[in-house]
Amino acid sequence: EVKLLESGGGLVQPGGSLRLSCAASGFTFTDFYMSWIRQPPGKAPEWLGVIRNKANGYTTEYNPSVKGRFTISRDNTQNILYLQMNTLRATDTAIYYCARRGYNLDYWGQGVMVTVSS
Amino acid sequence: DIQMTQSPSFLSASVGDRVTINCKASQNINKYLDWYQQKLGEAPKLLIYNTNSLHTAIPSRFSGSGSGTDFTLTISSLQPEDVATYFCFQHNSGWTFGGGTKLELK
Repeated sequence: EVKLLESGGGLVQPGGSLRLSCAASGFTFTDFYMSWIRQPPGKAPEWLGVIRNKANGYTTEYNPSVKGRFTISRDNTQNILYLQMNTLRATDTAIYYCARRGYNLDYWGQGVMVTVSS
Repeated sequence: DIQMTQSPSFLSASVGDRVTINCKASQNINKYLDWYQQKLGEAPKLLIYNTNSLHTAIPSRFSGSGSGTDFTLTISSLQPEDVATYFCFQHNSGWTFGGGTKLELK
């Protein structure tokens, strides 16, 4: 059974940093692209970025709205996906989801809340 | 950047009704359009990928159509468990979600 479990969310002050994790199980992690998506309360999801699979060299793509502040990485020995978020703003407040694949996002985690506030 | 415009934003329908939700892209996205269903308090769930391919275990009352810039999600006979918000998502050039359509029971 495919499972994705995010962790690391919480309250952070503006300008601060946070690293989210997504523990994956039930599939061959290195075979798949992995994505991060966020959703501000009551709003539509926003695609943040993707990290490709082993066959595609684990390269990354980002939404221009977060490029340079957010970094996606993966630990392929422990099957964990990461999202490093720096210089956080109030507008980054959202539920953050990891998902399997770069499109046709077929499995999602339950999401983790990130609140940026002083 | 490609913009995705969904219509309507809100939809009220009765059990058994045929429901259609539209998604318009600001430029040609070929067939690279997915549909997701999000129930209250849950993560989005993939319904249809690449315009018209039904994801695993999704009921056949859901279908998708379209090409280029105009796409449609159809529920052939609305069921109570279909109450949710529906989002389209293009992945032809970059990746962009639509603004969503909230579907309620009348």
